[in-house]
Amino acid sequence: GQNIDQPTEMTATEGAIVQINCTYQTSGFNGLFWYQQHAGEAPTFLSYNVLDGLEEKGRFSSFLSRSKGYSYLLLKELQMKDSASYLCAVMANNNDMRFGAGTRLTVKP
Amino acid sequence: DVKVTQSSRYLVKRTGEKVFLECVQDMDHENMFWYRQDPGLGLRLIYFSYDVKMKEKGDIPEGYSVSREKKERFSLILESASTNQTSMYLCASSDGTGSYEQYFGPGTRLTVT
Repeated sequence: GQNIDQPTEMTATEGAIVQINCTYQTSGFNGLFWYQQHAGEAPTFLSYNVLDGLEEKGRFSSFLSRSKGYSYLLLKELQMKDSASYLCAVMANNNDMRFGAGTRLTVKP
Repeated sequence: DVKVTQSSRYLVKRTGEKVFLECVQDMDHENMFWYRQDPGLGLRLIYFSYDVKMKEKGDIPEGYSVSREKKERFSLILESASTNQTSMYLCASSDGTGSYEQYFGPGTRLTVT
């Protein structure tokens, strides 16, 4: 079976750093994705990791450890507009994506 | 820019009605997906398609069927709508050749009364 776990909610302060964790157990692995979804909108792509290590893209970074079935999304210099849900997704077999339930992040002034 | 469009943003149907949700993408993507999104459950895969006339079941196919007669169009069909199918339905596409990023449509909020 497929299991992807991430915290339901997190709160952080504007300007701070927040780390959103994701653990997964899937049959096969072809990559891990992070998506951002603002309320009432469609998810938009943030990052993709297929090899172990850290991928940095501006204020956002994503880390993967395949042996541990673990990833995190790191958001630096938080802004109010970063308040959104963050979805962890695993591609278990080619083109077949499974999503976690999402982490709702609230950024406070 | 990739554009994925869905036929309706909001839809209200009665129990037992047959419902068609249409999705069109304009980037010649091979792969198309249908998800439903419910609070606390996240995105759940209903069906996906690798190519024209091909379809694969996702995690929750019961009560749904799909059709992909043309590469750009992927339809989700609720044969006999039920109240537990009230949800947000999201369509996505990806090119599946090295870049597996999925592009999502704006979603259709379906209410079955």
